[in-house]
Amino acid sequence: GIQVEQSPPDLILQEGANSTLRCNFSDSVNNLQWFHQNPWGQLINLFYIPSGTKQNGRLSATTVATERYSLLYISSSQTTDSGVYFCAVEFNTGGFKTIFGAGTRLFVKA
Amino acid sequence: DVKVTQSSRYLVKRTGEKVFLECVQDMDHENMFWYRQDPGLGLRLIYFSYDVKMKEKGDIPEGYSVSREKKERFSLILESASTNQTSMYLCASSLAPGRGGYEQYFGPGTRLTVT
Repeated sequence: GIQVEQSPPDLILQEGANSTLRCNFSDSVNNLQWFHQNPWGQLINLFYIPSGTKQNGRLSATTVATERYSLLYISSSQTTDSGVYFCAVEFNTGGFKTIFGAGTRLFVKA
Repeated sequence: DVKVTQSSRYLVKRTGEKVFLECVQDMDHENMFWYRQDPGLGLRLIYFSYDVKMKEKGDIPEGYSVSREKKERFSLILESASTNQTSMYLCASSLAPGRGGYEQYFGPGTRLTVT
C-alpha cells in the first residue's frame, strides 16, 4: 500500500552539528512538503518540494522523485531547531489525500 | 502571509456533549482539511472540503461531521463526544491545484480533552 517512511525516528544533536533527515515514499507524487512542528504544536511549512532542490537559510531539501525519496538537511543546528519534522506526501493516485510520515523527533543540546 | 486560525487552543468537554471546532483562513483557499494527531499514530485526515458545501471523508470520519457554509470557514463537529476523541485537532488549507495549489498551511491546533 501507499507508505511514507521517515528516518531516523529520533535524533539528538549537539548545537552546531549538521544532520540529514530522510523521507521514503512508495509511489509517484503530486506534492511533497516538509514541516517542523514546534513544542507548542504549530506545524510550520519548511519546503514545498515535489522534485529538485531548495534552500532556505540553514535548511535545504532535495527530492529525487524517480527514486522516491526526499532529504532535509539542517546545518549548524540550533536549540530552536528542536521539535518534530514531518514529511507529507500527496500521491498521484490519492486524489486530495495527503499522507504524513511518522516524523523525526529532533533534540538539539546547547 | 497565510493565516489559519482555530477557535480554541484548549478545550475540555464532557462525554456526550456536542462539540464544535471552528477553523478560518484568510487567503481565499479552496481546500480545507481537518486532521487529528495522536502519539504514535501521527496525523490522520478526518475530512476535507474542496469547495463551499462540498466535503469528502478522510481516513477516520467516524464520529465526526463537518460543515462548510462559507469559503473561509470549515467546522468540525463531534455529535456526541467520547473519551477516544481526546486529541490534538489541526486544521489546514490550500489553494486548488489549478490555482497553483497543493501546499498546505496549518492552524495552531486545538487540544481537546473529553472527560
